[in-house]
Amino acid sequence: QLQLQESGPGLVKPSETLSLTCTVSGGSISSSYYYWGWVRQPPGKGLECIGSFYYSGSTYYNPSLKSRVTISVDTSKNQFSLKLSSVTAADTAVYYCARRGYGGSHPFDYWGQGTLVTVSS
Amino acid sequence: EIVLTQSPDFQSVTPKEKVTITCRASQSIGSSLHWYQQKPDQSPKLLIKYASQSFSGVPSRFSGSGSGTDFTLTINSLEAEDAATYYCHQTSSLPETFGQGTKVEIK
Repeated sequence: QLQLQESGPGLVKPSETLSLTCTVSGGSISSSYYYWGWVRQPPGKGLECIGSFYYSGSTYYNPSLKSRVTISVDTSKNQFSLKLSSVTAADTAVYYCARRGYGGSHPFDYWGQGTLVTVSS
Repeated sequence: EIVLTQSPDFQSVTPKEKVTITCRASQSIGSSLHWYQQKPDQSPKLLIKYASQSFSGVPSRFSGSGSGTDFTLTINSLEAEDAATYYCHQTSSLPETFGQGTKVEIK
């Protein structure tokens, strides 16, 4: 059964870089059938797509975050990572990694449990 | 950017009652509209994809309809376990966006 697990620091200082990793088990991130991505949710608020990538290197970033976001992949570890630079309190959120089908406009069908990242000094 | 507006924001419902949640898009998105259920302290779960296709394992009391700009999620015969916040999500146009959510409470 596919499982996604986010990991990383729960506290990041303002102006620093937020770094999270998603470990995938029960499936391969090198599969040609899927994209993988990150979604975040500020406490008590709605959902925001951060970006998605395909294992071959194709990536998409939300324009509102594009200048600060990098998504990378380590196929040998079946992991992918998120880096968000120059964080502020507005970046405090639960960060989810998720899977979606390749091509077209597929929804996210499997999600990790999420990890809360607080930006504070 | 396409804005998705859900209504109502909150609904308090008696078990076995029918629930209807609407999602209106600021421009036509065809059928590229999906619905998720999120219970407290849990990640979202996909219920309906492409407006009306049920995702695997989702109870049959959940159904979706609509196309273009107006979409509906219906929960027939609400059960206590359906207490959650429901979100719509469009993937027709980048950046993809979510509705603000509709919280369903059980009376």
